[in-house]
Formats: sequence, C-alpha cells, structure tokens
Amino acid sequence: KQEVTQIPAALSVPEGENLVLNCSFTDSAIYNLQWFRQDPGKGLTSLLLIQSSQREQTSGRLNASLDKSSGRSTLYIAASQPGDSATYLCAVYSGTYKYIFGTGTRLKVLA
Amino acid sequence: SAVISQKPSRDICQRGTSLTIQCQVDSQVTMMFWYRQQPGQSLTLIATANQGSEATYESGFVIDKFPISRPNLTFSTLTVSNMSPEDSSIYLCSVGYGETQYFGPGTRLLVL
Repeated sequence: KQEVTQIPAALSVPEGENLVLNCSFTDSAIYNLQWFRQDPGKGLTSLLLIQSSQREQTSGRLNASLDKSSGRSTLYIAASQPGDSATYLCAVYSGTYKYIFGTGTRLKVLA
Repeated sequence: SAVISQKPSRDICQRGTSLTIQCQVDSQVTMMFWYRQQPGQSLTLIATANQGSEATYESGFVIDKFPISRPNLTFSTLTVSNMSPEDSSIYLCSVGYGETQYFGPGTRLLVL
C-alpha cells in the first residue's frame, strides 16, 4: 500500500530564504508525482508535475526533483516571499486513476 | 486546463440532516473524483464518479452515506447523508485532464 510522507510538517522562514520541502513514498512504482499548493480554506492548485522518467521540473522560482528509486521528491523554492505562505502537498499517481496525497507542509514566510 | 466550480462554498448543518454538493466542470471529462479533507489532514479519495455507471467507492466509504450522481460529462453531485460532527471537512471534486489533476475550490462543511 502506497504511503506518502512529507517533512517537515510546518516551516517558518524569513523572506528571501531558499527552502526545500521533502516528500517520500513507499512504493517506487509510480507514473508521476505532483506538487500542489493549498491556501487556507481553499482548493488545490497544481504547481509541478514530474513524470516517472523525469528527474526534475522547473517553473519560475520552483524546482521539483524526483528520485524514484529511493522514493523521494523535493520541492525547492528560491527567494521565498510572503505570498508563498500556504500548505504544500505532494501526491503520487500509481495508476487506477487515484492519487495518494502526502500529509502536507505548512509554510509561513515572514516579511 | 479545466475550470471547476463547486456549490455551496460552505455550509453549517445540523446533525442528522443531508447536504448535496454540486461540482461543475467547464469541459467534458470521463471521470470525476470526490475527495475529503478532514481538519488538519491530507486528502482522502471518497469515490470516482463515472458518467453512465455506478460510482466506485474507496475502502471506508459507502454509497448509503455518500451517494453520488453523474448525469452528464460536466456535472456531478456528492451527498453527505445523515451527517454527524465527524463529517465536518472540506469536500473537493477533481478531474484528470491530460496528466494533471485539477481541483475545485472545495466546500467547507461544519456539522453541529
């Protein structure tokens, strides 16, 4: 059974810092992995999608890496801003039309 | 991409009543998904709604508690029946479009 864990559960950093969020999964047989952002009381917004054959994806200040064999992904946020404050969720897709979500990292960027 | 809307955006309900949540997508999709996010928790898939067939429920979720309709390729409803305070959650609908999953804004439900 696939399990997805995110560390740390919460993170508070001063504005301008570069930071790394971690996601680990127990079954490496995945098709893809997505990183999502969730603002308080809101739905989810997809940030980056990494296929199982890819090592990383970049979008603006965000870079996501994937090491499928070790069951790990990281989301790197460069030059963090207060607007980056949100909960970040990773989710893995192993087929059967179902994503398994991680526990999330609550990020707060202080001005 | 897909744009998803949900109604209501939030509601406060009494124990024992039922609430139907609507999900509308701006394009035709084969499968729609309903998730629950309990306070402080991550998302859990409730069921997959297929047009023209019965919904497929995940372990721990049953049709009597969470009946789902899927009358066409752009619309679905989820009913939370005989509610208890434990049903207080955010309910989100989702669609897969290409290889990206899109989520609605969610319905925040509080059961008293």
